[in-house]
Amino acid sequence: GQQVMQIPQYQHVQEGEDFTTYCNSSTTLSNIQWYKQRPGGHPVFLIQLVKSGEVKKQKRLTFQFGEAKKNSSLHITATQTTDVGTYFCAGPPSGTYKYIFGTGTRLKVLA
Amino acid sequence: EAGVTQSPTHLIKTRGQQATLRCSPISGHTSVYWYQQALGLGLQFLLWYDEGEERNRGNFPPRFSGRQFPNYSSELNVNALELEDSALYLCASSSRDRIYNEQFFGPGTRLTVL
Repeated sequence: GQQVMQIPQYQHVQEGEDFTTYCNSSTTLSNIQWYKQRPGGHPVFLIQLVKSGEVKKQKRLTFQFGEAKKNSSLHITATQTTDVGTYFCAGPPSGTYKYIFGTGTRLKVLA
Repeated sequence: EAGVTQSPTHLIKTRGQQATLRCSPISGHTSVYWYQQALGLGLQFLLWYDEGEERNRGNFPPRFSGRQFPNYSSELNVNALELEDSALYLCASSSRDRIYNEQFFGPGTRLTVL
């Protein structure tokens, strides 16, 4: 079946270090969305990428959508304790509206 | 603008019982998605409703069902509850004004099956 895997599953970083999570889909996606879920909270939308090779930045966060529209990455520069949470990618396989969420990467930032 | 609301916040049932979870989308949103999030795990897509109709469902048995009402609120029903149904059930809504839109999540219903 259609799967979206994220690596790493867990990441502990020292505050100020950079962090990257990678998202890989078994099928081509129409678009990719990224969500952040704080501990005990619900997922909150961060960004959506639609075009092949698209790159978007939000302050310290940089998002990329692969050329084949099957992978994506989220890079955080100089992490802060407020970045703690689980980051999910999600996207609908081409031709569908069924959003498949990635397995998530849980980030812990040590002060 | 009020966000997505879900009720109840917590629900405790015993194995074999039925559970009903409710979701009210953001005003103006016609799409409602249901997800299951088992403890410490990712989100598993359950159901998608739009304009009152079921548009897609995930890989869950038929005892997971639901509906969307004319006011776009939605209900998720889980029959013949099993222990492994214990999870956080999240509802999300989105607008269909554009083809792709972000999903706004509610706080979830924590279902515990004893």
